[in-house]
Amino acid sequence: QVQLVQSGAEVKKPGSSVKVSCKASGGTFSSYTISWVRQAPGQGLEWMGRIIPILGIANYAQKFQGRVTITADKSTSTAYMELSSLRSEDTAVYYCARDTIYGSPSDYWGQGTLVTVSS
Amino acid sequence: EIVLTQSPGTLSLSPGERATLSCRASQSVSSSYLAWYQQKPGQAPRLLIYGASSRATGIPDRFSGSGSGTDFTLTISRLEPEDFAVYYCQQYGSSPVTFGQGTKLEIK
Repeated sequence: QVQLVQSGAEVKKPGSSVKVSCKASGGTFSSYTISWVRQAPGQGLEWMGRIIPILGIANYAQKFQGRVTITADKSTSTAYMELSSLRSEDTAVYYCARDTIYGSPSDYWGQGTLVTVSS
Repeated sequence: EIVLTQSPGTLSLSPGERATLSCRASQSVSSSYLAWYQQKPGQAPRLLIYGASSRATGIPDRFSGSGSGTDFTLTISRLEPEDFAVYYCQQYGSSPVTFGQGTKLEIK
């Protein structure tokens, strides 16, 4: 059984950066893809990007290009999502999710991490 | 980018009734790479359907998906109390992956 456990809630100032972690257990971390999806309060789901840990290759939604970096550490089965130049509109719950293979839907999800951007 | 439009925005039904949710894509979804998720308040989304019509592991058979090309449907044959939630469609065949805006299924 795959389990994804994310880091805790964060409060950040506008203009700063946040790095959220997602530790996987069960399955073979390197063989699947980790996606990141966010959800602003009361809003829908928004895909940010994904990484293939075995290759270390990430791709991002155009909206976040230049501001988001997704990485993975195979030795600890942990993926990271770093978002920079934070603004109030980035206040959201950030989810990591496992895609069995690249280009498949997300069948396991982390519990979510609330990031609040406020001065 | 493929834009997904879900309808209706809100659907009010009673337990035992049949629910039909629609998802329309701005262009054809390759190889029917269309999924449906259920999300309850305070919880992460849960995968229900993938490949437009295949149920994910552990999903009851009252949930079914259909469609191809640009028009897709999620049907819940007989609503149970636990089915009242928000439902999202997602296309994962083209980058970027995109979601519909969601349909809220509420108790009438």
